[in-house]
Amino acid sequence: GENVEQHPSTLSVQEGDSAVIKCTYSDSASNYFPWYKQELGKGPQLIIDIRSNVGEKKDQRIAVTLNKTAKHFSLHITETQPEDSAVYFCAAEYSSASKIIFGSGTRLSIRP
Amino acid sequence: NAGVTQTPKFRILKIGQSMTLQCAQDMNHNYMYWYRQDPGMGLKLIYYSVGAGITDKGEVPNGYNVSRSTTEYFPLRLELAAPSQTSVYFCASSSLGTSIAKNIQYFGAGTRLSVL
Repeated sequence: GENVEQHPSTLSVQEGDSAVIKCTYSDSASNYFPWYKQELGKGPQLIIDIRSNVGEKKDQRIAVTLNKTAKHFSLHITETQPEDSAVYFCAAEYSSASKIIFGSGTRLSIRP
Repeated sequence: NAGVTQTPKFRILKIGQSMTLQCAQDMNHNYMYWYRQDPGMGLKLIYYSVGAGITDKGEVPNGYNVSRSTTEYFPLRLELAAPSQTSVYFCASSSLGTSIAKNIQYFGAGTRLSVL
């Protein structure tokens, strides 16, 4: 069935360095790939998304890349800051757009 | 504009008890969802609704029931609570079907449930 694999499960980087989180998906019909950030004690919140007709999208320090042939997509955070510490989820749209499948999450810690 | 509101924030149940988790949204979204998040794990879809009067099962529906009589409210019912239902429950609504035309999910703050 449809599945989204996310790696790594935990990631610790020095403040100012870059962080990369990678995901793969199984449903070749998926066309929409959002990324969510979950801060402690809160619900997830969308930070960036990409559609399958675009290979890369950037928003300030955050960028997402998509390789639809390989069914891979990645989140890149540059110049990391303490407030980037959170759990990040990748997700992919089901073949029926009404549902989203989430990855298992990456706990990102920024070391001062 | 409150977004998605969940109540209660915390609850402890005894095995076999029942309860309803409340969810309300004020964005006039047709699509609403219930997820559970176990410690260190991702989000698993329990039930979802594409509009008032229409609900469907997600990945993990056993032990739960939902209803959707209005656009605004989407309560989740646990009938016979079991320890395996200890989790954090999130309700979400989606921009799908609006002019935004993509499934951006807006989450509530969650309900932390312990079944002892």
